[in-house]
Amino acid sequence: QKEVEQNSGPLSVPEGAIASLNCTYSDRGSQSFFWYRQYSGKSPELIMFIYSNGDKEDGRFTAQLNKASQYVSLLIRDSQPSDSATYLCAVGGGFKTIFGAGTRLFVKA
Amino acid sequence: DADVTQTPRNRITKTGKRIMLECSQTKGHDRMYWYRQDPGLGLRLIYYSFDVKDINKGEISDGYSVSRQAQAKFSLSLESAIPNQTALYFCATSGLSGGGNEQFFGPGTRLTVL
Repeated sequence: QKEVEQNSGPLSVPEGAIASLNCTYSDRGSQSFFWYRQYSGKSPELIMFIYSNGDKEDGRFTAQLNKASQYVSLLIRDSQPSDSATYLCAVGGGFKTIFGAGTRLFVKA
Repeated sequence: DADVTQTPRNRITKTGKRIMLECSQTKGHDRMYWYRQDPGLGLRLIYYSFDVKDINKGEISDGYSVSRQAQAKFSLSLESAIPNQTALYFCATSGLSGGGNEQFFGPGTRLTVL
């Protein structure tokens, strides 16, 4: 079992819709959770982090964390074609951060 | 100016050659990392360093070595390159803010070993 699992996609949504990206992790001791966006051929860029159970909102992005279910998600409201990218979930505990393989998102204009 | 820079950006080399990838940062972060990225496998940690005197192996350190020359500089070497080391390599840094480990990535080096 991979330590951080994501559906590879592609996830295709129409412009203006809500995109929902999901991630599960295996280490119950994990303390910090991150979402990175990576455009093709570019480096990952941090867009959200969350440490506590519940929701955290930043503009069109909402990160959701459920430690009991070992589940973290990212919602993107009013999706735009510029949101088309691969989204990496990363889970940290102490000094270690494990990255998922990413979900490709395609927003259709 | 970019906060995390990597050189070279692209490199093609032959099997058996020694290669060095360099990373510099102006973010003032203590922690630096080297990752490789392969399609479908995500980012995998090669080495990490929490200060100049601290070097640690990651999950895939075999065939690689590193040097932390200064707080701002962290280089990755492939002593004898092999074709399965063809990948996209990223350097990253992190500080100690917020108790987490938010990482900031350089632009990457695309390495091809023939």
